[in-house]
Amino acid sequence: DAGVIQSPRHEVTEMGQEVTLRCKPISGHDYLFWYRQTMMRGLELLIYFNNNVPIDDSGMPEDRFSAKMPNASFSTLKIQPSEPRDSAVYFCASSLQRGSGANVLTFGAGSRLTVL
Amino acid sequence: SQQGEEDPQALSIQEGENATMNCSYKTSINNLQWYRQNSGRGLVHLILIRSNEREKHSGRLRVTLDTSKKSSSLLITASRAADTASYFCATARLGQNFVFGPGTRLSVLP
Repeated sequence: DAGVIQSPRHEVTEMGQEVTLRCKPISGHDYLFWYRQTMMRGLELLIYFNNNVPIDDSGMPEDRFSAKMPNASFSTLKIQPSEPRDSAVYFCASSLQRGSGANVLTFGAGSRLTVL
Repeated sequence: SQQGEEDPQALSIQEGENATMNCSYKTSINNLQWYRQNSGRGLVHLILIRSNEREKHSGRLRVTLDTSKKSSSLLITASRAADTASYFCATARLGQNFVFGPGTRLSVLP
């Protein structure tokens, strides 16, 4: 398996533009997580899915953020409109189980977003 | 909060020395995991220790867990320049998700 695949790796956009980040989880993993990493706030969980269904989106900062998982092999995180404070590295991760089990998270390489 | 807190925030050592990082957390957990993040990359899982375990080894890594003190330590023996990275502990509680600490930045100098 090629691991968790994210695209784009880097995105530079102007304030107000729409940003779409993409993720392909590991085949067979039931859970998919979106994290945001910044120097100030560290690694924050934004939302996670179980079997393509959003379970907890309490970490999504604002209504400008939305995430979908139309099938088991694809998820998107969309920011519309984007703002400079959204600049961060966004990680997608997948796992077989949630944290209560013995399974672990496999992270993608991340998408570095810069909003000017 | 359940969040783990790594200590120290940054650590600089010479190649060949041992590196010790600590993690403290606030609530009961089911397991604790350590992850490594190289610059510009995603996090990579290193080792998992369950709440009923006290010590675990994996290669040059040794992890301890003291549930009475709600703390864990990660020891990297005979460090190498390639060990330079940020190290995160992540705690997992029944029915809840992984929560990551702010990390320890380790620099191993050749």
